[in-house]
Amino acid sequence: GAVVSQHPSRVICKSGTSVKIECRSLDFQATTMFWYRQFPKQSLMLMATSNEGSKATYEQGVEKDKFLINHASLTLSTLTVTSAHPEDSSFYICSARGVDSHSNQPQHFGDGTRLSIL
Amino acid sequence: AQTVTQSQPEMSVQEAETVTLSCTYDTSESDYYLFWYKQPPSRQMILVIRQEAYKQQNATENRFSVNFQKAAKSFSLKISDSQLGDAAMYFCAYGAGANSKLTFGKGITLSVRP
Repeated sequence: GAVVSQHPSRVICKSGTSVKIECRSLDFQATTMFWYRQFPKQSLMLMATSNEGSKATYEQGVEKDKFLINHASLTLSTLTVTSAHPEDSSFYICSARGVDSHSNQPQHFGDGTRLSIL
Repeated sequence: AQTVTQSQPEMSVQEAETVTLSCTYDTSESDYYLFWYKQPPSRQMILVIRQEAYKQQNATENRFSVNFQKAAKSFSLKISDSQLGDAAMYFCAYGAGANSKLTFGKGITLSVRP
């Protein structure tokens, strides 16, 4: 089945550091990747939709300059949390959809990244 | 805008029994898709079952089945013969259109009593 690899799984860093999270589709090409943020015992909140070769579409209230998204190839999207602060601590999850997929095809999720800013 | 509502924050079921998780949604689209995802403590998102709105037949995957009522905009998940490994958070989700984003409900935490 379709596999999405997300790396790193856990990050602990100091306030002010920039953190990059990678999302790779291992056995399929993904034109669209999605980035979510999830607080404990809450639902997934979509942050942005990442399209290969074009600028990401951010959801309302998500700071574009804070959360930089790059989707440079059909198998890789990255989320960079710039100058991270404690309030950015959260669980970040990516998902990907295949090139020929329709909306009935599910998004394939990475295992998530737990980000802790001290 | 599409919305997905899961009004029950928690449910509990005895092992081997059956439990139904509720979900309602609101949309003006005629062609869309509905999903149930499971998120165990590992926080991995696992697809449980999906339903195409144009299909009248309810989807079934082994012990998991749905009751899809299109007119009522209801999409409940039934888990039969509950197992300890079914304990997790369950999210109902809606999607429509090619490459569309998913709208998730708030989720429900299911516990299974041995």
